[in-house]
Amino acid sequence: GESVGLHLPTLSVQEGDNSIINCAYSNSASDYFIWYKQESGKGPQFIIDIRSNMDKRQGQRVTVLLNKTVKHLSLQIAATQPGDSAVYFCAETNQAGTALIFGKGTTLSVSS
Amino acid sequence: DGGITQSPKYLFRKEGQNVTLSCEQNLNHDAMYWYRQDPGQGLRLIYYSQIVNDFQKGDIAEGYSVSREKKESFPLTVTSAQKNPTAFYLCASSIPMGINSPLHFGNGTRLTVT
Repeated sequence: GESVGLHLPTLSVQEGDNSIINCAYSNSASDYFIWYKQESGKGPQFIIDIRSNMDKRQGQRVTVLLNKTVKHLSLQIAATQPGDSAVYFCAETNQAGTALIFGKGTTLSVSS
Repeated sequence: DGGITQSPKYLFRKEGQNVTLSCEQNLNHDAMYWYRQDPGQGLRLIYYSQIVNDFQKGDIAEGYSVSREKKESFPLTVTSAQKNPTAFYLCASSIPMGINSPLHFGNGTRLTVT
């Protein structure tokens, strides 16, 4: 069935370090992938997206890498700050291409 | 400011009662979605609608119902048939997913049923 998973439920880093959050997906037909950030008690906030015809996309302090060969997605956050502490979700389109399927999330904790 | 408004933020109900969660958007988006989130879990799709007067079941539609009479509004009813209704409910909207666009989320309604 369709599922999007994450390798680690939690990640702890020091302020200023680079963070890498990983995600494995199962639907080889997915053509769109997104990373969201969710702070406690709030809705998910869009970070960055990538289409399947790309393998890398950069935003402000964030980079998403897509490896379709092994169905792996990662989010890199440069110079991690305490304000980056949150739960991060990856998501992919469902088989019909009509909605997003989410993974379980990785909790990022940044200590100063 | 454009956005998605979910109300109320907290909702309490007795078991056996139906309850309707509100979701309104002023982003002029065609598509709207309802997700459920349980502690420590990802988001699971309940229902979605790509156009007014049309909607589709998601992965966990049992015990829920929706309507889409207006483009701006997509209310979710949690019926007494939903066995574990206590959860955090998130509404989202987007331009049609076929164009590969991100979902914009509201800040959720936390429903507690006792």
